[in-house]
Amino acid sequence: EAGVAQSPRYKIIEKRQSVAFWCNPISGHATLYWYQQILGQGPKLLIQFQNNGVVDDSQLPKDRFSAERLKGVDSTLKIQPAKLEDSAVYLCASTSTFTGELFFGEGSRLTVL
Amino acid sequence: GDSVTQMEGPVTLSEEAFLTINCTYTATGYPSLFWYVQYPGEGLQLLLKATKADDKGSNKGFEATYRKETTSFHLEKGSVQVSDSAVYFCALRALDSNYQLIWGAGTKLIIKP
Repeated sequence: EAGVAQSPRYKIIEKRQSVAFWCNPISGHATLYWYQQILGQGPKLLIQFQNNGVVDDSQLPKDRFSAERLKGVDSTLKIQPAKLEDSAVYLCASTSTFTGELFFGEGSRLTVL
Repeated sequence: GDSVTQMEGPVTLSEEAFLTINCTYTATGYPSLFWYVQYPGEGLQLLLKATKADDKGSNKGFEATYRKETTSFHLEKGSVQVSDSAVYFCALRALDSNYQLIWGAGTKLIIKP
């Protein structure tokens, strides 16, 4: 069974530029999460989707971050414009049921200069 | 709100030493408790879990017991190997938090040969 796929693995941009990350969850997984993991900290939930609907985006900085999951399968997380403090690993995870085990992708490491 | 506190790292041990990584939690309900591991350059993986008081989760020689009386879920291993070097995260999940994972800050473990 294929795991959660994320791309790109690494991205370096300058502040005020934009960046997009892509996630393809495990086939059949209805729930998808985006997390931000800053070095030395635990993951912070940015947004949770159930199929193509948003369950929780309370910690998503909506002035610069956006995310979509239009067809209820893959998802894109965008940052525009990026700030220095956005430097982090962006993790995507999926699960088949609301209370089921989460499976994580390898993450996308963003460096903002 | 619900929270997880785990011991700060890095923890440095020699091969075959005994490992304990402390984790305590605060939750109003009856959470499920998890240990995740993140090997260098890889995504987060579920290491073990326990869903009710006195349950013991175990995997790859690691164990943790859900202690409701002390609100703890300490991770232990009798004899660590160099390959156990990684960052370990304690987390909880509960109905009160909408089944979202609440994470500790992570503990980096370094095993020297």
